[in-house]
Amino acid sequence: SQTIHQWPATLVQPVGSPLSLECTVEGTSNPNLYWYRQAAGRGLQLLFYSVGIGQISSEVPQNLSASRPQDRQFILSSKKLLLSDSGFYLCAWSASTGGGEAFFGQGTRLTVV
Amino acid sequence: AQSVTQLDSQVPVFEEAPVELRCNYSSSVSVYLFWYVQYPNQGLQLLLKYLSGSTLVKGINGFEAEFNKSQTSFHLRKPSVHISDTAEYFCAVSGINSGYALNFGKGTSLLVTP
Repeated sequence: SQTIHQWPATLVQPVGSPLSLECTVEGTSNPNLYWYRQAAGRGLQLLFYSVGIGQISSEVPQNLSASRPQDRQFILSSKKLLLSDSGFYLCAWSASTGGGEAFFGQGTRLTVV
Repeated sequence: AQSVTQLDSQVPVFEEAPVELRCNYSSSVSVYLFWYVQYPNQGLQLLLKYLSGSTLVKGINGFEAEFNKSQTSFHLRKPSVHISDTAEYFCAVSGINSGYALNFGKGTSLLVTP
């Protein structure tokens, strides 16, 4: 069966520090991968998606970047965190054939102080 | 582009009462529709999905939803709620844009009280 791992669960980082959140998927090949950010009362905002290794598309301009160094690994990064980067970050995957549901990790609560 | 609107930000309901959470979608092409549930500080869990076929979709935990193309709606219902149904509920739509990424509504907070 497929599983998705996302870590860490919580993170407190000072303003200006770097960020690296990692997500890995097991039990499937060539998944579509996604990073979402959730702010209170605002639903989930799609940040990045990837349909293959090295293929990253950004949905919103921001202080973050994403990379996909391996088929089932998706990394969210920042060189210098801002206070506004605080939030709940969720990684997800879906089948490459498209049209089906997305499966979510447990999320990372990031607090920038 | 596809989008969804959840019409209620909060829905309070008494235990064992029925509930309906409303969702309307906007799309110029065929869509796939989903309802997810989120408990505090956790990821999202799929409740049910509509891809094609029967417009009445049954999901987990006794929830069901009906796809209504003429009204562009996909409302979620449960005939009798439990305290444990207290959570955030998200309606989502998927299309061919953005790698089939789901576009979510802002969520409806369901609060079930005794």
